Amino acid sequence: DAKTTQPNSMESNEEEPVHLPCNHSTISGTDYIHWYRQLPSQGPEYVIHGLTSNVNNRMASLAIAEDRKSSTLILHRATLRDAAVYYCILRDKGGSEKLVFGKGTKLTVNP
Amino acid sequence: DAMVIQNPRYQVTQFGKPVTLSCSQTLNHNVMYWYQQKSSQAPKLLFHYYDKDFNNEADTPDNFQSRRPNTSFCFLDIRSPGLGDAAMYLCATSRDMGQGREQYFGPGTRLTVT
Repeated sequence: DAKTTQPNSMESNEEEPVHLPCNHSTISGTDYIHWYRQLPSQGPEYVIHGLTSNVNNRMASLAIAEDRKSSTLILHRATLRDAAVYYCILRDKGGSEKLVFGKGTKLTVNP
Repeated sequence: DAMVIQNPRYQVTQFGKPVTLSCSQTLNHNVMYWYQQKSSQAPKLLFHYYDKDFNNEADTPDNFQSRRPNTSFCFLDIRSPGLGDAAMYLCATSRDMGQGREQYFGPGTRLTVT
């Protein structure tokens, strides 16, 4: 599985936008980029995924670099409920399509 | 609401005493997964079922087994729990295994081994 690199932790203030970066320089042309988050004492929760184009949904936006070697998860207005560990995961076509979680980024949201 | 349910949320067992964790889903998904998450670590896949087909990860210890009697239920059996098996066990489902398909996780069962 291709690897991802994320900062260990980030801080944000409530109601401000948050940009969570992910580097995946060894991504292949058929790898999807998935983001999950895990709130304290809960199971992971799907956030968003994309292949080449930027994606938006009710939770977040995903901006994918033109060369696909990096991506950014954007939370448009952080709330205290967004405090979680955010995982950026690549899912390859040729593999078992399983989720391989890295260490993720722990996001702290300050009131 | 359709969901993934895990019972119990907290389970205490004794060293070497078999324990079973359960997972049920109302999503009617074909695939069910079991993950192990130790303290301050990321979730790690143990195995999954695609319908009735069982797929074990290469590094999953033999001590861990699973059963899926029907679409809705899946069980994780730990035959002889050791202290190192204390962890959060997460069940997840997905409609199929396409690389664009999201997984839905339950709240987890936290296992303590005394």
